[in-house]
Amino acid sequence: DGGITQSPKYLFRKEGQNVTLSCEQNLNHDAMYWYRQDPGQGLRLIYYSQIVNDFQKGDIAEGYSVSREKKESFPLTVTSAQKNPTAFYLCASSISAAYGYTFGSGTRLTVV
Amino acid sequence: EDQVTQSPEALRLQEGESSSLNCSYTVSGLRGLFWYRQDPGKGPEFLFTLYSAGEEKEKERLKATLTKKESFLHITAPKPEDSATYLCAVRDTNAGKSTFGDGTTLTVKP
Repeated sequence: DGGITQSPKYLFRKEGQNVTLSCEQNLNHDAMYWYRQDPGQGLRLIYYSQIVNDFQKGDIAEGYSVSREKKESFPLTVTSAQKNPTAFYLCASSISAAYGYTFGSGTRLTVV
Repeated sequence: EDQVTQSPEALRLQEGESSSLNCSYTVSGLRGLFWYRQDPGKGPEFLFTLYSAGEEKEKERLKATLTKKESFLHITAPKPEDSATYLCAVRDTNAGKSTFGDGTTLTVKP
């Protein structure tokens, strides 16, 4: 079945560490997105990519980095510059701008 | 800047008690308005896309409607399994991404 796979489901980060969240899709979607969700809040956009080898900053890109070397993959790195990284991270994809997103199951990141 | 405001923040209903959720939006040009359902600890699940004022979509007990300034998600005779957070999002014609509201958390008591 087609879908989006995020891994790991839970991730713990020590102070000063960089961590990478994986997002893979087999839907043949061109566009991919990373959102952050804090308790009781909506989704805030971190980065998005509409085609391979191209991506744009979202509303809260500081402290994060991404790459889009393959259509299927859009990994997110949370760097040590992100001072408050504890949150639920969601990856999504869409076939075009006129369609809704397909979301992954999320990665919950906690700073220890 | 695109804006989406959802109300109420939380809604508690008795099983069978119909109600509506509101999504007010501001965009320069609407490419699409989207409704999602999110269960605790999971990613949102796509429900509907609405493209123009007057459009309606239905799925089981849910019906979404759209005007030029807002959208409603009507829930008819809800069941406990309808309990979830419902998210609204808009896509501007000039934007490559959606803007989300903060959601309405619906609780349906048996």
